[in-house]
Amino acid sequence: AQTVTQSQPEMSVQEAETVTLSCTYDTSESDYYLFWYKQPPSRQMILVIRQEAYKQQNATENRFSVNFQKAAKSFSLKISDSQLGDAAMYFCAYRRYFGNEKLTFGTGTRLTIIP
Amino acid sequence: NAGVTQTPKFRVLKTGQSMTLLCAQDMNHEYMYWYRQDPGMGLRLIHYSVGEGTTAKGEVPDGYNVSRLKKQNFLLGLESAAPSQTSVYFCASSYLGQASGNTIYFGEGSWLTVV
Repeated sequence: AQTVTQSQPEMSVQEAETVTLSCTYDTSESDYYLFWYKQPPSRQMILVIRQEAYKQQNATENRFSVNFQKAAKSFSLKISDSQLGDAAMYFCAYRRYFGNEKLTFGTGTRLTIIP
Repeated sequence: NAGVTQTPKFRVLKTGQSMTLLCAQDMNHEYMYWYRQDPGMGLRLIHYSVGEGTTAKGEVPDGYNVSRLKKQNFLLGLESAAPSQTSVYFCASSYLGQASGNTIYFGEGSWLTVV
């Protein structure tokens, strides 16, 4: 079974600075998807970024980028120029490439932005 | 753009009462899911469906039942509510196959308290 581990329960960063959230996962599959979801106080789950395991290039979405290390099974999220609106819980998640598999989530990292 | 809609948003139940959470999606997705989220934990899958008329158990199915009589709707039932079922419930949906990068879209959550 796949597992996802987020070892940082809480992180904080100064506004306008850069922060990196860590995620590791365990799988025997070679093809899969990895996701970062943001959950603000409203509790809505918002997709931040998606990475296909077969792509070597790291995904980027504006101020959000990932460092995907397939051999190390590591998938970290970098937030550049942190803004107050980035404060939220961030969940790393894994999904198999084929089939109807659900998302497997990590336990989350609470990010605080310091003004 | 409705996306995934959950009703009700909030509910307080007494132990032993029954209720049904309704999820509706307007994206013609084949897959639908019910997750629960508890403090300090990521989302855990309760039940899921790969198409109209089908359902399957997830990680934590005990105490819940589901039905998918129409493609756009996925119902989660609690037959005899227990305080351990106090949680935030999320419905989600996605396309079959690799369309849209296997992204799963979430509803806004339903807060359920069992007293």
